Amino acid sequence: SAVISQKPSRDICQRGTSLTIQCQVDSQVTMMFWYRQQPGQSLTLIATANQGSEATYESGFVIDKFPISRPNLTFSTLTVSNMSPEDSSIYLCSARGGADNSPLHFGNGTRLTVT
Amino acid sequence: SQKIEQNSEALNIQEGKTATLTCNYTNYSPAYLQWYRQDPGRGPVFLLLIRENEKEKRKERLKVTFDTTLKQSLFHITASQPADSATYLCALDDSNSGYALNFGKGTSLLVTP
Repeated sequence: SAVISQKPSRDICQRGTSLTIQCQVDSQVTMMFWYRQQPGQSLTLIATANQGSEATYESGFVIDKFPISRPNLTFSTLTVSNMSPEDSSIYLCSARGGADNSPLHFGNGTRLTVT
Repeated sequence: SQKIEQNSEALNIQEGKTATLTCNYTNYSPAYLQWYRQDPGRGPVFLLLIRENEKEKRKERLKVTFDTTLKQSLFHITASQPADSATYLCALDDSNSGYALNFGKGTSLLVTP
């Protein structure tokens, strides 16, 4: 199964700044996704990171706020732009290797606090 | 809209007993359902997948049932151990988002010695 490394593991940022989160998978994967998890809440899908093209965003998430890159089959970044305290959350990278019923593998998340 | 509901209250049980967690869903016609375990400070970890044509699936001390008529899955941990304490998430394929999954809020399980 794929091993996903995510960094930073946590950060405290000031309002108005941006943070880029990196996600590295130890093998080539078909699909990569970015989720957000707020305390006591379920995981909310932000976007699907598409290799070589623009990410596909879910309702409520826009590219200007959460730009995503996926330059190859093993790496993706998520940027949280112009941060506000409402962006404080855990951001999780996940990947799926093959068939559409294959499990998702997750990184350990980035705990972001915006002050 | 699509909804996945899990017991919102934490489940506390004694070591050795069977823990049963519930996942109900609406406005889905899932081909399969997955269960994940999440420990504090960690990402979810896949446990089991059950397909729509399977009534029951087992893996060691874990058992999952899937009733597409009731739109419900039950997740059982037999002979529970304190190491089973974690949050358990139910997930369904998101038909609107390609191959992503939608997750329930999870049920927190605490197994006490």
